[in-house]
Amino acid sequence: GQQVMQIPQYQHVQEGEDFTTYCNSSTTLSNIQWYKQRPGGHPVFLIQLVKSGEVKKQKRLTFQFGEAKKNSSLHITATQTTDVGTYFCAGRVTGFQKLVFGTGTRLLVSP
Amino acid sequence: DTAVSQTPKYLVTQMGNDKSIKCEQNLGHDTMYWYKQDSKKFLKIMFSYNNKELIINETVPNRFSPKSPDKAHLNLHINSLELGDSAVYFCASSQDLPGLNTEAFFGQGTRLTVV
Repeated sequence: GQQVMQIPQYQHVQEGEDFTTYCNSSTTLSNIQWYKQRPGGHPVFLIQLVKSGEVKKQKRLTFQFGEAKKNSSLHITATQTTDVGTYFCAGRVTGFQKLVFGTGTRLLVSP
Repeated sequence: DTAVSQTPKYLVTQMGNDKSIKCEQNLGHDTMYWYKQDSKKFLKIMFSYNNKELIINETVPNRFSPKSPDKAHLNLHINSLELGDSAVYFCASSQDLPGLNTEAFFGQGTRLTVV
């Protein structure tokens, strides 16, 4: 079956440091989405990327979709304590009402 | 107004019991899902419904039976609960139209603990 892996599983940074999580799918995706789940909360949609090589920015967050549409990355510049949570990528396979989530990267930010 | 609401939020029950979790969305979406999140935070899709029809069943034991009385509701009934069923169950919905954001909206989750 389709697998979506993320690395690292966990990262602990000091406030102000940068952070990157990488997402890799075993199959080509029609689009990639990113979600953030705060501790004790539910996943909340951040962004969707559709085009090969697409790059989008949201303030300190930069999202990238690979040329082959099988990988993606999320980069946070100058992390803040409010960035704490688990970041999931989620891939949608063309033609299927199926959103497969990556394994997640848990980010901890110390002040 | 809560977009996707599920009840109950917490559920503690004994092994062997049968329980149900309810989910409702007021977003007018055509697709609804059930996800299971285990202790390692992996989010695994269980079922997907589109316009009340089951379209994805990810090799979930048949003790789990989803039911969609209409496209705004997707309930999950679990028979003969086992210890391994302990997890957080999330309901979600999305509108799968080409060219549009197909983001999924999640409910608050139901933390199921089987003792």
